[in-house]
Parts: sequence; C-alpha cells; structure tokens
Amino acid sequence: KQEVTQIPAALSVPEGENLVLNCSFTDSAIYNLQWFRQDPGKGLTSLLLIQSSQREQTSGRLNASLDKSSGRSTLYIAASQPGDSATYLCAVITGANSKLTFGKGITLSVRP
Amino acid sequence: GAVVSQHPSWVICKSGTSVKIECRSLDFQATTMFWYRQFPKQSLMLMATSNEGSKATYEQGVEKDKFLINHASLTLSTLTVTSAHPEDSSFYICSGRTIQETQYFGPGTRLLVL
Repeated sequence: KQEVTQIPAALSVPEGENLVLNCSFTDSAIYNLQWFRQDPGKGLTSLLLIQSSQREQTSGRLNASLDKSSGRSTLYIAASQPGDSATYLCAVITGANSKLTFGKGITLSVRP
Repeated sequence: GAVVSQHPSWVICKSGTSVKIECRSLDFQATTMFWYRQFPKQSLMLMATSNEGSKATYEQGVEKDKFLINHASLTLSTLTVTSAHPEDSSFYICSGRTIQETQYFGPGTRLLVL
C-alpha cells in the first residue's frame, strides 16, 4: 500500500527565504507526482505535475524534483512571500486507475 | 486550467437528515470523478471513484449505502450523505479527471452535522 509522508508538518520562515519542502513515498512504481496548494477552508490548486519519466518541473518561483528510485520529491520555493503561506500537499498516482494518494501536507507560514 | 465547482460550499444539518453535494466540471467532460473527505489537520482520503453511467467504486471502509454517489452525466456527480451523524462532519472535495489524466479539484463542501 502506497504511503506518502511529508515532514515537517509545519514550517515558518521569514519573507525572502528560499525553502525546500520534502515528500517521500514508499512505492516507487508511480505514474506521476503532483504538488498542490491548499488555503484554509478551500479546495486544492495544482502547482506542478511531474510524470514518472521526468526529473523536474518548473513554474515561476516553484521547482519540483522527482527521484523515483529513492521515493522522494522536493518542492523548491524561491524568494518566499507572505502570499505563499498555505498548506502544500504532495500526492502520487500509483495505479492505472489514477487514484491519488496524498500526504498530510506541510503548513507553511511566511513572516513579513 | 479546467474548472470544477461544488454546491453547496457549506451546509449545516440536523442529525438524521440527508445532504446532497453536487460536483460539476464546468469546461470539460469528466468520465471519472473522485470524492474525497478531509478531517482537520489530516490528508485527503479517497472515498470513492465515480464513473459516468456506472456504479461507483468505494474504498475500503466507506459505506456505500451511507454515501450514495450518482454520476449521471459527463459533467455532474452527486454525493448524498444519508442519515448524517456528527461524525460525518468533514470537508468533502471532489475532482474530475480529464482525458489527459489530470485531476482538477473542486473548492470543497464543508458539512457540519449537529
């Protein structure tokens, strides 16, 4: 059974800092990995999707990397801003039925 | 990106009543929709996979007679929580899957059962 772990559960950084959010998964036979952002009481916004054949994806100040063999992914946020404060969820698709398995998320707080 | 809506966004009901939540894909056809539940400080847990025109597939531990799912068209799936109890209070989120296999999520429905 696939398990996704995100540690730490919460992170607080000063504005302008570059930071890395980690995600690990137990079954390396994944189809793809996705990073989402969730604001309090809201739904999910997809940030980046990495196919299993890819090593990284970039969008603006965000860069996500994937190392399938070691079961790890990182989300790099450059020059963090208070508006980046949210919970960041990592999810993987393992089977052909596109079921997403989510981690518990990392709640990020960027202090002005 | 594709847009998924949910209605209502929040609902408060008395214990024992039934609540219906709608999930619509506004600008794409979703042959498959997923229903998730999220408790405070917890991750999203998949409840069921809804395929248009066929019965939903429920995850282990999810009561199919309590959480009725109907996927009558390519743009609409509904989740009905029957005889709701306080322990059913949660944040329910749906997603629709595009032909490209990408899932787009709705804004969620917060249910509070008194």
